[in-house]
Amino acid sequence: KAGVTQTPRYLIKTRGQQVTLSCSPISGHRSVSWYQQTPGQGLQFLFEYFSETQRNKGNFPGRFSGRQFSNSRSEMNVSTLELGDSALYLCASSLAWSVAYNEQFFGPGTRLTVL
Amino acid sequence: DAKTTQPTSMDCAEGRAANLPCNHSTISGNEYVYWYRQIHSQGPQYIIHGLKNNETNEMASLIITEDRKSSTLILPHATLRDTAVYYCIVNGAGANNLFFGTGTRLTVIP
Repeated sequence: KAGVTQTPRYLIKTRGQQVTLSCSPISGHRSVSWYQQTPGQGLQFLFEYFSETQRNKGNFPGRFSGRQFSNSRSEMNVSTLELGDSALYLCASSLAWSVAYNEQFFGPGTRLTVL
Repeated sequence: DAKTTQPTSMDCAEGRAANLPCNHSTISGNEYVYWYRQIHSQGPQYIIHGLKNNETNEMASLIITEDRKSSTLILPHATLRDTAVYYCIVNGAGANNLFFGTGTRLTVIP
């Protein structure tokens, strides 16, 4: 079974631009979560989507948004990029939202550099 | 806010058991304890989880105290490939908004 895939793997943008990152979950997984990892703040939860609906949202500004498609693939968008948005963006998928526990499978991440 | 407290770093000799402690004194009755690890430059990897009872799988064992205020992850025979940051996470059932905290950097020494 193929793992979680994220594209692109590396990205360089300049301040003020916008960026879209893509995540394809493991086949059959309906929940997709996004995380940001920086040296200063560590791994921080951005948002989670299940059946095309945002279920949870972390403490990030409105410049960070996402969506999920009917095939469970997800995209996240960051508008008006700032230097501090440079980070590793990780996507994780899991089978469902309402089971007693949830093992999340993480992708390799997209390394975003904002210049 | 952090729900868990872990040592910043630990060393372990190759082939020996690695015991990683975690304090979660404010854990609620319906919250699970999860362990993930992140090997350098990779996405986090699920290791094990538990609610009340001790758990074991092919990767590790999880020992949860009777009052559930602390737990220990045990890697029975640490290898160099186990060098990673280990995260202890407390979360509600079915919740996917994991709070990772700072974790424990485990270094396995040859």
